[in-house]
Amino acid sequence: QKEVEQDPGPLSVPEGAIVSLNCTYSNSAFQYFMWYRQYSRKGPELLMYTYSSGNKEDGRFTAQVDKSSKYISLFIRDSQPSDSATYLCAMTSGGGADGLTFGKGTHLIIQP
Amino acid sequence: DAGVTQSPTHLIKTRGQQVTLRCSPKSGHDTVSWYQQALGQGPQFIFQYYEEEERQRGNFPDRFSGHQFPNYSSELNVNALLLGDSALYLCASSRGQGASGNTIYFGEGSWLTVV
Repeated sequence: QKEVEQDPGPLSVPEGAIVSLNCTYSNSAFQYFMWYRQYSRKGPELLMYTYSSGNKEDGRFTAQVDKSSKYISLFIRDSQPSDSATYLCAMTSGGGADGLTFGKGTHLIIQP
Repeated sequence: DAGVTQSPTHLIKTRGQQVTLRCSPKSGHDTVSWYQQALGQGPQFIFQYYEEEERQRGNFPDRFSGHQFPNYSSELNVNALLLGDSALYLCASSRGQGASGNTIYFGEGSWLTVV
């Protein structure tokens, strides 16, 4: 079992729809949770950052973390064609020099 | 303010050769981490450098080595290249060791193709 599981998709939705992206994880030490957006052949761009359980909203994006279920989500409201990209979840325990552990990424396509 | 810069952008190497990739961290950042992202996969942590020393290492063989210079820039070296080393190599920088994630910035990466 991989530490972080993420459905690679592709996930195709019409413009304006609400998108739900999810990851599950197995390491209970993870405390910091991030969502990155990666356009084709580009570096990852940080979208959302959450510490421990709870919700965080930033514009059209909402991140949710449920540590009891080891489950994190990213919601995108009023999706736009420019949101088409690969979305990577990442997490870390935050202590010392541990690196980020990423999911495989979900390829999202927003149809105009 | 320049972000994380990496060079070269693309390169092609032959099996058995050696390669060096370079990274300049974002201004004010002193910690550099390297990741390998194979096609269709998420990035995998290779190692992190802080105060010119390797502080943490992921599950990568000794063929992967690195260096950090006094100006915080870093190099990733890969020896005895294998076809499976073909990937996007990403550099990430942060301020201080053990960054919690919100201050980690990635560069655009170096695409390595091994033939």
